[in-house]
Amino acid sequence: SQTIHQWPATLVQPVGSPLSLECTVEGTSNPNLYWYRQAAGRGLQLLFYSVGIGQISSEVPQNLSASRPQDRQFILSSKKLLLSDSGFYLCAWAKGDTIYFGEGSWLTVV
Amino acid sequence: AQTVTQSQPEMSVQEAETVTLSCTYDTSENNYYLFWYKQPPSRQMILVIRQEAYKQQNATENRFSVNFQKAAKSFSLKISDSQLGDTAMYFCAFMKPQTSGTYKYIFGTGTRLKVLA
Repeated sequence: SQTIHQWPATLVQPVGSPLSLECTVEGTSNPNLYWYRQAAGRGLQLLFYSVGIGQISSEVPQNLSASRPQDRQFILSSKKLLLSDSGFYLCAWAKGDTIYFGEGSWLTVV
Repeated sequence: AQTVTQSQPEMSVQEAETVTLSCTYDTSENNYYLFWYKQPPSRQMILVIRQEAYKQQNATENRFSVNFQKAAKSFSLKISDSQLGDTAMYFCAFMKPQTSGTYKYIFGTGTRLKVLA
């Protein structure tokens, strides 16, 4: 069966520091991969999606970037975090018509 | 662009009662998928139920069922015999397969459901 893992689960980072959130999927090949952000009390905002290695599409202009160095690995990064980057980040995968989510990562920028 | 609207930010229901969560969407497409996801306090997003737009029959999963009204672009979720474990944020989602092979999912802002003992 397919599984998805993302880490770290929680992260407290100072403003201006870098960020790296990692996500891996097991049990499938060539999935669509996604990064969503969920701000407090709000819905899910699609940040990036990828249909293959090295193929990244950005949905909103922002301080973040994404990379897909391997088929089942998706990384969310920032060179310099802003306070507004705080939130709950969810990695997800889809192959076919249903999307499945990782456990999420809490990021607090202080 | 497609949009998904959940007009009920919060709802509550007594244990064992039935509750219906509303969702409307806007699209000009004919082939698409609709979903309800549950996000309990643990924050793990869990698929509750899915519906293919080309199917007229409403999807059901145990105590969860949907009322899919394609013409009205409405996709409500009914939870029967509510249980304390149903307390969660519920998200409605829309997906339209893209010709590029991408699946883009649009989520509503969620409805926070509290089941009362």
